[in-house]
Amino acid sequence: ETGVTQSPTHLIKTRGQQVTLRCSSQSGHNTVSWYQQALGQGPQFIFQYYREEENGRGNFPPRFSGLQFPNYSSELNVNALELDDSALYLCASSRDRVSYEQYFGPGTRLTVT
Amino acid sequence: EDQVTQSPEALRLQEGESSSLNCSYTVSGLRGLFWYRQDPGKGPEFLFTLYSAGEEKEKERLKATLTKKESFLHITAPKPEDSATYLCAVQSAQGGSEKLVFGKGTKLTVNP
Repeated sequence: ETGVTQSPTHLIKTRGQQVTLRCSSQSGHNTVSWYQQALGQGPQFIFQYYREEENGRGNFPPRFSGLQFPNYSSELNVNALELDDSALYLCASSRDRVSYEQYFGPGTRLTVT
Repeated sequence: EDQVTQSPEALRLQEGESSSLNCSYTVSGLRGLFWYRQDPGKGPEFLFTLYSAGEEKEKERLKATLTKKESFLHITAPKPEDSATYLCAVQSAQGGSEKLVFGKGTKLTVNP
């Protein structure tokens, strides 16, 4: 059984640029959630995708957007990057909408300069 | 608004010295309480899910318990490899999405 994978591992961007992060869900999982984790903080919920549709969103501005594909992999896009967007971005997958156990990938470390 | 508070923020133990980590929470309709372990620069690793007050789960040197307002993660005779940040999260029955609300974590250091 393949676990959750994310790419890239690390990324450095300049303020104002745009970035796309990718996530492949664990085999058999159809729900993907994205979280942002600042240094020394717990992960904060960005949004969730279930069967290619957004299924809940946290307190993040519209410049954070996402997609889920038919194979349940997902992308997180962030436009107009700000310095405060520097964080570890985590993807988690679960078996379905009513499955409570979420399994996390290794994360993408984004640095905005 | 759902909230999770973990204490202490940091804990140093000697190898073999048992202790407990606390997670207190307020949530509108608890669906589940989760414990994760996170090593530096890595994603959280799932440990336990607890669904109702009185429930207990064990895994090796770890035991998680749940009451109506808090959860404890008991660590018995810890080893240096147990050093990590332990995160607690709750899942609310509200809203329809399965988002997790996390605490800030407890950073555990076990010295040999």
